[in-house]
Amino acid sequence: DTEVTQTPKHLVMGMTNKKSLKCEQHMGHRAMYWYKQKAKKPPELMFVYSYEKLSINESVPSRFSPECPNSSLLNLHLHALQPEDSALYLCASSQDGGVGNQPQHFGDGTRLSIL
Amino acid sequence: EDKVVQSPLSLVVHEGDTVTLNCSYEVTNFRSLLWYKQEKKAPTFLFMLTSSGIEKKSGRLSSILDKKELSSILNITATQTGDSAIYLCAVRRSGSRLTFGEGTQLTVNP
Repeated sequence: DTEVTQTPKHLVMGMTNKKSLKCEQHMGHRAMYWYKQKAKKPPELMFVYSYEKLSINESVPSRFSPECPNSSLLNLHLHALQPEDSALYLCASSQDGGVGNQPQHFGDGTRLSIL
Repeated sequence: EDKVVQSPLSLVVHEGDTVTLNCSYEVTNFRSLLWYKQEKKAPTFLFMLTSSGIEKKSGRLSSILDKKELSSILNITATQTGDSAIYLCAVRRSGSRLTFGEGTQLTVNP
């Protein structure tokens, strides 16, 4: 188990559903990240929050909507997803607010399947 | 565009063998190189190498950064079946982005 907790571990949803992925860390880290990982591929960065503000959006489609309610929580709201969005969604955090040089620590991910 | 290349992509060894995994990079404003181990779920952080810390060791694992050759190696000695995983190399330049390589799939057979 990691110190970055993601829920749910698995999610199956239809293309018209709305769901949310949640991520929590209590390490006092000030940067949080969402990554998407397809099978047999490395993680791809989606969003970065630095000190609770969105600092990077890697041209992610608007059907993915991130939210950072406080420094410990990160959500990813999903709506009208496509089958190609099926993947492992990883959350990560780092101590440095994303501007220093500290390693990112990953959660176990949510495995998402779109029917 | 930043580029990270790992080799080999796949490696099968027997328990007790020593393995060397390679990572080369082309990144502007290099800040650090990180190694992660990924089994079924989360990538687990192994090492971070920077200009001021080019060699790291933890138990049977060690890593070296060659800034001149823009590369790094990850060594695992006396491999065990529990070392079977994908090993990811990632490079960070200024800012928070990590650029990952494709990974090396290591399989250690008993």
